[in-house]
Amino acid sequence: AQSVTQLGSHVSVSEGALVLLRCNYSSSVPPYLFWYVQYPNQGLQLLLKYTTGATLVKGINGFEAEFKKSETSFHLTKPSAHMSDAAEYFCAVTRRSYSGTYKYIFGTGTRLKVLA
Amino acid sequence: DTAVSQTPKYLVTQMGNDKSIKCEQNLGHDTMYWYKQDSKKFLKIMFSYNNKELIINETVPNRFSPKSPDKAHLNLHINSLELGDSAVYFCASSQDAGNEQFFGPGTRLTVL
Repeated sequence: AQSVTQLGSHVSVSEGALVLLRCNYSSSVPPYLFWYVQYPNQGLQLLLKYTTGATLVKGINGFEAEFKKSETSFHLTKPSAHMSDAAEYFCAVTRRSYSGTYKYIFGTGTRLKVLA
Repeated sequence: DTAVSQTPKYLVTQMGNDKSIKCEQNLGHDTMYWYKQDSKKFLKIMFSYNNKELIINETVPNRFSPKSPDKAHLNLHINSLELGDSAVYFCASSQDAGNEQFFGPGTRLTVL
């Protein structure tokens, strides 16, 4: 079975500090991995994705994530938090089944709070 | 230009009523989805359509019925609304089922 675990439903950081949001997945085959951000009263939007190739992926707004197969992790980082980064962040995984269908699995989300 | 749009944005209704939420995407995508997000922000997929055909139908009460008149539209009809249906419903689309999803702004449904 495939699942996504986001450690920490709430994370608080000071403005200018490092942001680290954790995501671990379980999958029997290499997955596609995504991070989405949801600002208040809005839909989700893609921050970055990993499909194949380079394991360090850069996204929008200065975020990046590294796919570590040995650790089954895809943690999201940003060197310096900004007040505008306060939002809900979702990790997601998808992979193609033998029948050819894909299934998207979202994590439970991590709310990032940025302190002035 | 709005990529994925939903109407209405807010929907307040009484228990037992029937309501519909409409979704349209102008991205030319083949796959569309409906998600339910509860008050704790947990996102649950409800349905997925590919080229107007249902490909994912999660454990959702029969009161929920999706309809896809064409590739660009995926509507959600809900019969006999219950208090537990109160949530934010998101429509999304993607070029194929394994790729990036584009989300609509959501419809906040409140059942009184």
